[in-house]
Amino acid sequence: EADIYQTPRYLVIGTGKKITLECSQTMGHDKMYWYQQDPGMELHLIHYSYGVNSTEKGDLSSESTVSRIRTEHFPLTLESARPSHTSQYLCASSEALQLAGGNEQYFGPGTRLTVT
Amino acid sequence: KNQVEQSPQSLIILEGKNCTLQCNYTVSPFSNLRWYKQDTGRGPVSLTIMTFSENTKSNGRYTATLDADTKQSSLHITASQLSDSASYICVVSDRGSTLGRLYFGRGTQLTVWP
Repeated sequence: EADIYQTPRYLVIGTGKKITLECSQTMGHDKMYWYQQDPGMELHLIHYSYGVNSTEKGDLSSESTVSRIRTEHFPLTLESARPSHTSQYLCASSEALQLAGGNEQYFGPGTRLTVT
Repeated sequence: KNQVEQSPQSLIILEGKNCTLQCNYTVSPFSNLRWYKQDTGRGPVSLTIMTFSENTKSNGRYTATLDADTKQSSLHITASQLSDSASYICVVSDRGSTLGRLYFGRGTQLTVWP
């Protein structure tokens, strides 16, 4: 079992609210990622980080923002939630060194967000 | 365009039976291919990983194959158990980025009935 945690696991919130999804890992991994996943669909990368003070946007455009002040912590924030943000959000981490076989990404359990 | 296609989309089998899931990809340059298992409401967990030179890899009752020439992979599950009910996701990594970009299939939803 990977040591990567997400809170809350489930969140139902009204339109216009500000929310922060928490992600923490205790493996000392430098690289961290946020994915968005809708039912029956593939995971889409929305943010990633190479390390502290590094944040980049992923393939899927997202109105969310992220920060990386500490190695182990990679929170995602939505300033004003909308029903279109309803989805599952998965956090992942991997080692910095790029191995020949590629580095495995370890996933957290996810946060199921519903915006009403 | 880098893509990963999986079939079937969903599958129902009886406990104890075998099944095979398929994955076709167009990711280039290819680095490795992983099969992940994702239980409902959980994050994906890696089952197997194969690089270009490997054509088969086993993990207990799970056996993955890779044909890098035809860009196809399969995941064979032997003697299925109720706990095998989950989504199985094929994930391909490219060699062209320092990020180790992953390309995900939509998964095959497997249901095992008693």
